Amino acid sequence: NAGVTQTPKFQVLKTGQSMTLQCAQDMNHNSMYWYRQDPGMGLRLIYYSASEGTTDKGEVPNGYNVSRLNKREFSLRLESAAPSQTSVYFCASGGGGKGLAGGPQRNIQYFGAGTRLSVL
Amino acid sequence: AQTVTQSQPEMSVQEAETVTLSCTYDTSENNYYLFWYKQPPSRQMILVIRQEAYKQQNATENRFSVNFQKAAKSFSLKISDSQLGDTAMYFCAFDNNDMRFGAGTRLTVKP
Repeated sequence: NAGVTQTPKFQVLKTGQSMTLQCAQDMNHNSMYWYRQDPGMGLRLIYYSASEGTTDKGEVPNGYNVSRLNKREFSLRLESAAPSQTSVYFCASGGGGKGLAGGPQRNIQYFGAGTRLSVL
Repeated sequence: AQTVTQSQPEMSVQEAETVTLSCTYDTSENNYYLFWYKQPPSRQMILVIRQEAYKQQNATENRFSVNFQKAAKSFSLKISDSQLGDTAMYFCAFDNNDMRFGAGTRLTVKP
């Protein structure tokens, strides 16, 4: 049971380069999420997808784009990487369905192992 | 916007003893979820315990329990009989359609 799989585990980019972080889950979850983790700041939500075909901005979406390719896969793209995007990125998935006030039910989230990205 | 505050950047405890990690949050909402996640050196985020705000009873999971004080907006985590494997970063998180994490508490369990 793989759970949530992220690739790559490590990446070094030069300023201005682009790349896509891949995430796949095998738990049949509706919802998927991308977070970044910076020292002393905990995790911050970049984008999320409550269900296949939908995506929404989180707390820190600027400089990123996402694609919910299908129910299993949710990718994060950096079109023109900047040093401020140096971080550890986590993908997560959750049960989904309707939750509080009709919004996505995020309940328990299952996380991938993370991608350490350095932008020089 | 909701905020989550963990006021203890680092803590340590002797093996087999009990430790309590603090978490407070700010929200005007009445219904929400609260979580504690553990992040060991492997960097994997692991769910420790979950609390629904509408439930008055404090959640427990084996050696882990919470003290949920809704009026005070406080959600502390108690770890009993601490084990070396409990050494990790612990993150408190608040979820009401917008997940927010605290900055974390680094817990070291000493032999």
